[in-house]
Amino acid sequence: QSVLTQPPSVSGAPGQRVTISCTGSTSNIGAGYDVHWYQQLPGTAPKLLIYGNSNRPSGVPDRFSGSKSGTSASLAISGLQAEDEADYYCQSYDSSLSAVFGGGTKLTVL
Amino acid sequence: EVQLVESGGGLVQPGGSLRLSCAASGFTFSSYWMSWVRQAPGKGLEWVANIKQDGSEKYYVDSVKGRFTFSRDNAKNSLYLQMNSLRAEDTAVYYCARQRWSSTQYYFDFWGQGTLVTVSS
Repeated sequence: QSVLTQPPSVSGAPGQRVTISCTGSTSNIGAGYDVHWYQQLPGTAPKLLIYGNSNRPSGVPDRFSGSKSGTSASLAISGLQAEDEADYYCQSYDSSLSAVFGGGTKLTVL
Repeated sequence: EVQLVESGGGLVQPGGSLRLSCAASGFTFSSYWMSWVRQAPGKGLEWVANIKQDGSEKYYVDSVKGRFTFSRDNAKNSLYLQMNSLRAEDTAVYYCARQRWSSTQYYFDFWGQGTLVTVSS
């Protein structure tokens, strides 16, 4: 059981906007720790997508955006494209002094 | 270009041992904390261990404490994960990842391609 909770799957048609939620608790996200997001394309390693709640590393399209409020965070993907089909993971830090992840969300582009 | 290349995975019997390696290049290896993160087949990500720049501090997830040992050789730009007393639940792809600190917390900005460890009789 993952410390952070994500929906198992989301889907959307090309061009649409989808959001993926990440729910934690007062010992991680709610304690003020940042949320980071990773994209894992099929058969590949995770790639940093968003760090510090809403910052994009160089090279990540601005179609990807992140936000955080209270004990939850969200990843939004606008202008959905076929190549966005992947698994997405949120990550934060816990009062146990370790990184914690969500269980992952599989995005299907219809 | 940052590169992390893991090796050493394979099939091992329960109770056996395995040593994973991760070769780093493209950045000043000795300036960064590094981590191992694993992913069981069809499952999510789990942080396993991390190590300070000079190797003086190491931290482990509870499930591997006393069985896994994380080390590094800054002269060789390499990481090592010695895994003993392996269990079926250790079966996973093991990724080495570069760790970035943000205040008192961290995230992972570069990942290797992973190496598969299978624990089975």
